[in-house]
Amino acid sequence: EIVLTQSPATLSLSPGERATLSCRASQNVINYLAWYQQKPGQAPRLLIYDASNRATGIPARFSGSGSGTDFTLTISSLEPEDFAVYYCQQRSNWPLTFGGGTKVEIK
Amino acid sequence: EVQLVQSGGGLVKPGRSLRLSCSGSGFSFGDYAMSWFRQAPGKGLEWVGFIRSRAYGGAAEHAASVKGRFTISRDDSRSIAYLQMNSLKTEDTALYYCTRDFTGSTPASWYFDLWGRGTPVTVSS
Repeated sequence: EIVLTQSPATLSLSPGERATLSCRASQNVINYLAWYQQKPGQAPRLLIYDASNRATGIPARFSGSGSGTDFTLTISSLEPEDFAVYYCQQRSNWPLTFGGGTKVEIK
Repeated sequence: EVQLVQSGGGLVKPGRSLRLSCSGSGFSFGDYAMSWFRQAPGKGLEWVGFIRSRAYGGAAEHAASVKGRFTISRDDSRSIAYLQMNSLKTEDTALYYCTRDFTGSTPASWYFDLWGRGTPVTVSS
């Protein structure tokens, strides 16, 4: 099973700041990685797929990069609605697995 | 409106059974692979299983943690996916999500762009 390790666990930032979230895979997942946003009481929302492609309707301030074992989600300038938990998910190998999440909180 | 509406959760004793339903609307349900995930209280996301679209064989696969106890099925005529959960354990307590694959009418992408709101399952004596 591929283990995805996200860091940091919590990121404390102010609106307007840049957020950089990391996801590291225990094995090469090529570029088969997605990012999701989850707000309290809501289902996850697909942001990025295949490491760098934005899903439909996702603002351009969200970007993904990386390949192999190291991936990054960047939010260029945090909006108030961006404070949430972010998960990465790999589809390279079964079972599908998720990282433990990074909480982006208001500083 | 494109949506997934879930039902069927609740409180159940260990060893008992429960069936969750996931009704899709606003899209061609039969074209999509459907998957189930769960999230235990305060925890991350865990894949439970999937069922392929009929065009790609319609087979289901389940996570090792639920294999032999849980079964995913679908009724495309009613646009419903099911998660039958037998021999429930306390560690199955979670919020269960039904999801749609990101791509339809093609091999599944195994990314998920449409999620139900989740249905809670509590297994306790």
